[in-house]
Amino acid sequence: DTAVSQTPKYLVTQMGNDKSIKCEQNLGHDTMYWYKQDSKKFLKIMFSYNNKELIINETVPNRFSPKSPDKAHLNLHINSLELGDSAVYFCASSGLAGRRGELFFGEGSRLTVL
Amino acid sequence: KQEVTQIPAALSVPEGENLVLNCSFTDSAIYNLQWFRQDPGKGLTSLLLIQSSQREQTSGRLNASLDKSSGRSTLYIAASQPGDSATYLCAVGDAGNNRKLIWGLGTSLAVNP
Repeated sequence: DTAVSQTPKYLVTQMGNDKSIKCEQNLGHDTMYWYKQDSKKFLKIMFSYNNKELIINETVPNRFSPKSPDKAHLNLHINSLELGDSAVYFCASSGLAGRRGELFFGEGSRLTVL
Repeated sequence: KQEVTQIPAALSVPEGENLVLNCSFTDSAIYNLQWFRQDPGKGLTSLLLIQSSQREQTSGRLNASLDKSSGRSTLYIAASQPGDSATYLCAVGDAGNNRKLIWGLGTSLAVNP
């Protein structure tokens, strides 16, 4: 059973389109994250939700809108896609039980904007 | 502002060597420090998590140490194997700021058979 799963794994789309990436975790964690990894492999946090509430919102264009319908899901919707949005987007989750604060990552969603 | 640096950026060693990867951070007020492994085209896998009150953690052939006063952590890999080839990332949890993780750029490790 995959702990953190995200779909789709690959996404190729045209500039200007709107797309969504979905994430689900079955670890019972209360905090979920979206990260962006660019072509230079630099990993940067975009958003963090705790119990469906937004707690970290980095300087991200408001074309990016996260939505957390419940603790186990955090989706990312991107409007009016631009070339610079091409990257790998990682979802992650963490909890307070066990190894407190340990982060578990999904396999990533590679977005290519043409 | 917390900054995390990993040295070296890349490392190539023959199989069987013991090796050390370094991570340094500028602000000692940390919540925790984590070491991750990333294989090409894959997500990140947590290797070791050290809470701010701890000095080291061990898992199998891996040992990570934390010295907050000097702003350093090392990841020690014993008896390296080709399967250890990957990028190793260090991330420091900010004690304030909702414990946001600040990431290094990673060390790309190649273990040659």
